[in-house]
Amino acid sequence: ETGVTQTPRHLVMGMTNKKSLKCEQHLGHNAMYWYKQSAKKPLELMFVYSLEERVENNSVPSRFSPECPNSSHLFLHLHTLQPEDSALYLCASSQEATSYEQYFGPGTRLTVT
Amino acid sequence: RKEVEQDPGPFNVPEGATVAFNCTYSNSASQSFFWYRQDCRKEPKLLMSVYSSGNEDGRFTAQLNRASQYISLLIRDSKLSDSATYLCVVTLNTGGFKTIFGAGTRLFVKA
Repeated sequence: ETGVTQTPRHLVMGMTNKKSLKCEQHLGHNAMYWYKQSAKKPLELMFVYSLEERVENNSVPSRFSPECPNSSHLFLHLHTLQPEDSALYLCASSQEATSYEQYFGPGTRLTVT
Repeated sequence: RKEVEQDPGPFNVPEGATVAFNCTYSNSASQSFFWYRQDCRKEPKLLMSVYSSGNEDGRFTAQLNRASQYISLLIRDSKLSDSATYLCVVTLNTGGFKTIFGAGTRLFVKA
């Protein structure tokens, strides 16, 4: 399935590096999301964008910086991360940023060394 | 109390068994409810929405009990391919839209 794609699929970065995660949705949806999934923890919603405007920021540290240039693309810029930021980062999209079903990308598995 | 709570399991059942999962939520203003399925090292995928009147999709039946604030998922005639983690998801809009995932219930179906 190629509805929501994410690159890269795996990323190893040092604490002083700067990197970006990319997400693209081909479903014509208006809302996009970033989630963090750590081992043995529930998915944590990080950011929500609706029509390219950020509508939700769940107290995420500033070392994570989202960008939504259009309704099909979403980026997560990373800088000076900590080892505890190692996790699976999932992008999702939905028709609207309300009660609609969300469709997830395959995720980027991030390791911070 | 967690906003969305699930028994982590694992549930180990033989093929053909019927298994049920419950999920409780703490906020009575919760609006929409879903069950997602997540296979090992894969992304979550929507299994079914949960409607007030209850709904069925093949071997899967979902129920919502607003008074007691829980939703349930029943799987009949379990298949090996049903082995996965089942995530309960609740959405609410209290001045800001929130999607809350449960930690998931692991199911292993054995031959």
